[in-house]
Amino acid sequence: EAQVTQNPRYLITVTGKKLTVTCSQNMNHEYMSWYRQDPGLGLRQIYYSMNVEVTDKGDVPEGYKVSRKEKRNFPLILESPSPNQTSLYFCASSLGAGTIYEQYFGPGTRLTVT
Amino acid sequence: KQEVTQIPAALSVPEGENLVLNCSFTDSAIYNLQWFRQDPGKGLTSLLLIQSSQREQTSGRLNASLDKSSGRSTLYIAASQPGDSATYLCAPRGAGSYQLTFGKGTKLSVIP
Repeated sequence: EAQVTQNPRYLITVTGKKLTVTCSQNMNHEYMSWYRQDPGLGLRQIYYSMNVEVTDKGDVPEGYKVSRKEKRNFPLILESPSPNQTSLYFCASSLGAGTIYEQYFGPGTRLTVT
Repeated sequence: KQEVTQIPAALSVPEGENLVLNCSFTDSAIYNLQWFRQDPGKGLTSLLLIQSSQREQTSGRLNASLDKSSGRSTLYIAASQPGDSATYLCAPRGAGSYQLTFGKGTKLSVIP
Protein backbone atom coordinates (compact mmCIF):
# COMPACT_ATOMS: atom_id res chain seq x y z
CA GLU A 1 0.00 0.00 0.00
CA ALA A 2 1.29 3.43 -0.97
CA GLN A 3 1.72 5.47 2.17
CA VAL A 4 3.67 7.84 4.34
CA THR A 5 4.51 6.40 7.74
CA GLN A 6 5.67 8.16 10.88
CA ASN A 7 7.10 6.83 14.11
CA PRO A 8 6.41 7.14 16.90
CA ARG A 9 2.76 8.15 16.75
CA TYR A 10 2.77 9.45 20.31
CA LEU A 11 5.71 10.66 22.35
CA ILE A 12 6.01 12.26 25.77
CA THR A 13 9.46 13.50 26.68
CA VAL A 14 11.24 15.97 28.92
CA THR A 15 12.90 19.26 28.11
CA GLY A 16 16.35 18.88 26.60
CA LYS A 17 16.24 15.17 25.76
CA LYS A 18 17.14 14.73 22.10
CA LEU A 19 14.59 12.90 19.99
CA THR A 20 14.01 11.85 16.40
CA VAL A 21 10.71 11.39 14.62
CA THR A 22 11.04 9.20 11.56
CA CYS A 23 9.18 9.58 8.28
CA SER A 24 9.24 7.12 5.44
CA GLN A 25 7.40 6.91 2.11
CA ASN A 26 7.20 3.99 -0.30
CA MET A 27 6.08 5.91 -3.38
CA ASN A 28 9.50 6.97 -4.72
CA HIS A 29 8.57 10.60 -4.10
CA GLU A 30 11.11 13.34 -4.72
CA TYR A 31 9.71 15.91 -2.35
CA MET A 32 9.20 15.53 1.40
CA SER A 33 8.39 18.00 4.13
CA TRP A 34 7.48 18.44 7.78
CA TYR A 35 4.60 20.48 9.21
CA ARG A 36 3.44 21.19 12.71
CA GLN A 37 -0.17 21.82 13.65
CA ASP A 38 -1.15 23.97 16.60
CA PRO A 39 -4.61 25.11 17.73
CA GLY A 40 -5.47 28.52 16.31
CA LEU A 41 -2.34 28.57 14.13
CA GLY A 42 -3.11 25.83 11.63
CA LEU A 43 -0.43 23.87 9.82
CA ARG A 44 2.96 25.49 9.31
CA GLN A 45 5.89 24.12 7.37
CA ILE A 46 9.09 23.37 9.32
CA TYR A 47 11.51 22.02 6.70
CA TYR A 48 11.33 20.54 3.25
CA SER A 49 13.52 18.49 0.92
CA MET A 50 13.38 18.52 -2.85
CA ASN A 51 15.63 15.49 -3.20
CA VAL A 52 18.37 13.51 -1.49
CA GLU A 53 20.85 15.79 0.28
CA VAL A 54 18.77 18.89 -0.60
CA THR A 55 16.90 20.47 2.31
CA ASP A 56 15.69 23.96 3.12
CA LYS A 57 13.86 25.86 5.84
CA GLY A 58 10.16 26.39 5.91
CA ASP A 59 8.33 28.99 7.97
CA VAL A 60 9.16 27.72 11.47
CA PRO A 61 12.55 25.91 11.41
CA GLU A 62 13.94 27.11 14.76
CA GLY A 63 14.77 24.24 17.10
CA TYR A 64 14.57 21.54 14.43
CA LYS A 65 17.01 19.69 12.18
CA VAL A 66 16.43 17.37 9.25
CA SER A 67 18.46 15.17 6.98
CA ARG A 68 17.73 13.39 3.69
CA LYS A 69 20.30 10.69 3.15
CA GLU A 70 17.93 8.34 1.37
CA LYS A 71 15.05 9.16 -0.93
CA ARG A 72 12.45 7.34 1.15
CA ASN A 73 13.36 8.72 4.60
CA PHE A 74 13.19 12.22 6.06
CA PRO A 75 13.68 12.23 9.85
CA LEU A 76 12.91 15.25 12.02
CA ILE A 77 15.39 15.84 14.83
CA LEU A 78 14.80 17.89 17.96
CA GLU A 79 18.24 18.33 19.54
CA SER A 80 16.97 19.98 22.72
CA PRO A 81 13.18 19.90 22.85
CA SER A 82 11.32 22.62 24.73
CA PRO A 83 7.66 22.82 25.85
CA ASN A 84 6.81 25.19 22.96
CA GLN A 85 7.54 22.31 20.58
CA THR A 86 4.59 20.39 21.98
CA SER A 87 2.51 19.91 18.85
CA LEU A 88 1.07 17.54 16.28
CA TYR A 89 3.65 16.86 13.57
CA PHE A 90 2.95 15.73 10.02
CA CYS A 91 5.26 14.46 7.32
CA ALA A 92 4.22 14.89 3.68
CA SER A 93 5.53 13.79 0.30
CA SER A 94 4.90 14.46 -3.38
CA LEU A 95 6.06 12.77 -6.55
CA GLY A 96 7.29 15.85 -8.35
CA ALA A 97 7.08 19.53 -9.09
CA GLY A 98 4.31 19.63 -11.67
CA THR A 99 0.90 21.09 -11.02
CA ILE A 100 -0.75 17.66 -11.18
CA TYR A 101 1.11 16.29 -8.18
CA GLU A 102 -0.76 16.23 -4.91
CA GLN A 103 0.85 15.94 -1.52
CA TYR A 104 0.24 12.96 0.73
CA PHE A 105 0.38 13.21 4.49
CA GLY A 106 1.40 10.77 7.18
CA PRO A 107 -0.83 9.93 10.16
CA GLY A 108 0.83 12.42 12.48
CA THR A 109 3.02 12.29 15.60
CA ARG A 110 1.68 13.86 18.77
CA LEU A 111 4.61 15.18 20.79
CA THR A 112 4.39 16.44 24.35
CA VAL A 113 7.44 18.07 25.94
CA THR A 114 7.24 18.57 29.70
CA LYS B 1 3.26 36.01 1.92
CA GLN B 2 0.25 33.85 1.13
CA GLU B 3 -2.65 34.04 3.58
CA VAL B 4 -5.58 31.65 3.46
CA THR B 5 -8.97 32.25 5.04
CA GLN B 6 -11.74 29.71 5.39
CA ILE B 7 -15.30 30.72 6.12
CA PRO B 8 -17.23 29.66 8.08
CA ALA B 9 -15.00 28.35 10.86
CA ALA B 10 -17.73 25.91 11.87
CA LEU B 11 -20.90 24.67 10.24
CA SER B 12 -23.68 22.40 11.44
CA VAL B 13 -26.21 21.02 8.96
CA PRO B 14 -28.89 18.31 8.98
CA GLU B 15 -28.18 15.14 7.05
CA GLY B 16 -29.04 15.31 3.37
CA GLU B 17 -28.34 19.00 2.87
CA ASN B 18 -26.06 20.34 0.17
CA LEU B 19 -23.41 22.71 1.46
CA VAL B 20 -20.58 24.96 0.35
CA LEU B 21 -17.30 25.62 2.11
CA ASN B 22 -15.34 28.71 1.16
CA CYS B 23 -11.62 29.36 0.86
CA SER B 24 -9.94 32.61 -0.09
CA PHE B 25 -6.25 33.29 -0.64
CA THR B 26 -4.29 36.49 -1.10
CA ASP B 27 -1.69 35.53 -3.71
CA SER B 28 -3.17 34.30 -7.00
CA ALA B 29 0.20 32.98 -8.24
CA ILE B 30 -0.46 29.36 -7.39
CA TYR B 31 0.35 26.00 -9.00
CA ASN B 32 -2.63 24.17 -7.61
CA LEU B 33 -4.94 23.97 -4.62
CA GLN B 34 -5.75 20.92 -2.53
CA TRP B 35 -8.72 20.24 -0.31
CA PHE B 36 -8.17 17.93 2.65
CA ARG B 37 -10.30 16.47 5.38
CA GLN B 38 -9.03 15.86 8.88
CA ASP B 39 -10.79 13.74 11.45
CA PRO B 40 -10.16 14.57 15.13
CA GLY B 41 -6.62 13.67 16.14
CA LYS B 42 -5.94 12.10 12.77
CA GLY B 43 -3.96 12.81 9.65
CA LEU B 44 -4.95 14.67 6.51
CA THR B 45 -6.77 12.90 3.71
CA SER B 46 -6.50 14.50 0.29
CA LEU B 47 -9.93 14.99 -1.27
CA LEU B 48 -9.36 16.93 -4.45
CA LEU B 49 -6.57 18.74 -6.26
CA ILE B 50 -7.34 21.52 -8.73
CA GLN B 51 -4.57 22.63 -11.02
CA SER B 52 -4.16 26.36 -11.63
CA SER B 53 -5.39 25.91 -15.21
CA GLN B 54 -8.61 24.17 -14.13
CA ARG B 55 -11.92 25.67 -13.05
CA GLU B 56 -13.30 22.70 -11.19
CA GLN B 57 -12.73 19.10 -10.16
CA THR B 58 -15.21 16.45 -9.08
CA SER B 59 -14.98 13.30 -7.01
CA GLY B 60 -18.20 11.53 -6.08
CA ARG B 61 -20.36 13.91 -4.04
CA LEU B 62 -17.59 16.50 -3.87
CA ASN B 63 -17.02 19.31 -6.32
CA ALA B 64 -14.29 21.90 -5.93
CA SER B 65 -14.05 25.07 -7.96
CA LEU B 66 -11.20 27.50 -8.39
CA ASP B 67 -11.25 31.16 -9.43
CA LYS B 68 -7.56 31.95 -9.35
CA SER B 69 -7.86 35.57 -10.41
CA SER B 70 -10.17 36.41 -7.52
CA GLY B 71 -8.32 34.18 -5.06
CA ARG B 72 -11.24 31.90 -4.24
CA SER B 73 -12.06 28.23 -4.09
CA THR B 74 -15.21 26.47 -2.95
CA LEU B 75 -15.89 22.90 -1.93
CA TYR B 76 -19.42 21.74 -2.61
CA ILE B 77 -20.67 18.66 -0.77
CA ALA B 78 -23.88 17.14 -2.07
CA ALA B 79 -26.35 15.18 0.04
CA SER B 80 -24.30 15.42 3.22
CA GLN B 81 -23.96 12.40 5.53
CA PRO B 82 -22.93 12.07 9.19
CA GLY B 83 -19.69 10.45 7.96
CA ASP B 84 -18.79 13.76 6.32
CA SER B 85 -18.33 15.31 9.77
CA ALA B 86 -14.70 16.47 9.93
CA THR B 87 -12.54 19.55 9.53
CA TYR B 88 -11.98 20.60 5.93
CA LEU B 89 -8.78 22.37 4.99
CA CYS B 90 -7.83 24.15 1.79
CA ALA B 91 -4.19 24.61 0.82
CA PRO B 92 -2.92 26.47 -2.22
CA ARG B 93 0.59 25.67 -3.40
CA GLY B 94 2.63 28.70 -4.39
CA ALA B 95 3.98 29.00 -7.92
CA GLY B 96 7.62 27.90 -8.04
CA SER B 97 7.27 26.30 -4.61
CA TYR B 98 6.37 22.96 -3.08
CA GLN B 99 4.97 24.60 0.03
CA LEU B 100 1.32 24.37 0.87
CA THR B 101 -0.21 27.23 2.86
CA PHE B 102 -3.12 26.05 4.95
CA GLY B 103 -6.23 27.78 6.12
CA LYS B 104 -7.45 27.14 9.66
CA GLY B 105 -10.23 24.97 8.34
CA THR B 106 -13.99 24.65 8.53
CA LYS B 107 -15.32 22.21 11.11
CA LEU B 108 -18.36 20.48 9.66
CA SER B 109 -20.95 18.62 11.71
CA VAL B 110 -23.68 16.71 9.89
CA ILE B 111 -26.56 15.93 12.22
CA PRO B 112 -28.47 12.65 11.61
